[in-house]
Amino acid sequence: GAVVSQHPSRVICKSGTSVKIECRSLDFQATTMFWYRQFPKKSLMLMATSNEGSKATYEQGVEKDKFLINHASLTLSTLTVTSAHPEDSSFYICSVRLGNTEAFFGQGTRLTVV
Amino acid sequence: GQNIDQPTEMTATEGAIVQINCTYQTSGFNGLFWYQQHAGEAPTFLSYNVLDGLEEKGRFSSFLSRSKGYSYLLLKELQMKDSASYLCAAMDSNYQLIWGAGTKLIIKP
Repeated sequence: GAVVSQHPSRVICKSGTSVKIECRSLDFQATTMFWYRQFPKKSLMLMATSNEGSKATYEQGVEKDKFLINHASLTLSTLTVTSAHPEDSSFYICSVRLGNTEAFFGQGTRLTVV
Repeated sequence: GQNIDQPTEMTATEGAIVQINCTYQTSGFNGLFWYQQHAGEAPTFLSYNVLDGLEEKGRFSSFLSRSKGYSYLLLKELQMKDSASYLCAAMDSNYQLIWGAGTKLIIKP
């Protein structure tokens, strides 16, 4: 399998500030990484597909200027929540896939905006 | 549209057996996944079915019927640590994962 490390696991920030979440593929070169958001008792919602060396592909309804994704190397993708608001508080999870099958997830980041 | 349905919550007794059902409707199909997610943690992979039939892996088994758009996850000899949410996800023709909302499984002593 693949080992995916996500950092930080928890973050509290003030409204209006920006928060960066890192997702690292430790033992696998990932040309594609996926960013999800999950609300309590809800399904995983795909936000965007991060592509190494090119622009991310955002899902409908996800603001690309608010959720900045950078995939500068084969082992690192970052998600920056800009000008955070309380409604951005959520559980954010990244994942990589081996081929077209199994997905491996990072530990998730619990973001609380106060 | 694409859709995954699974029960919101189930309760079972320690040592018993429980079956969690999932029905799916996707544009094309490239497999059905089950993941376990403990509260506040990321999902972890349990099983993958792409052909009809039953796949057994220890205490956990997963079944798929492609013609019926149906899968189930069977958990045997339930332990308290099995209390978690179980997510069903189907992969469509574009290899996108379509996720269910998850079934919260409560295990009682």
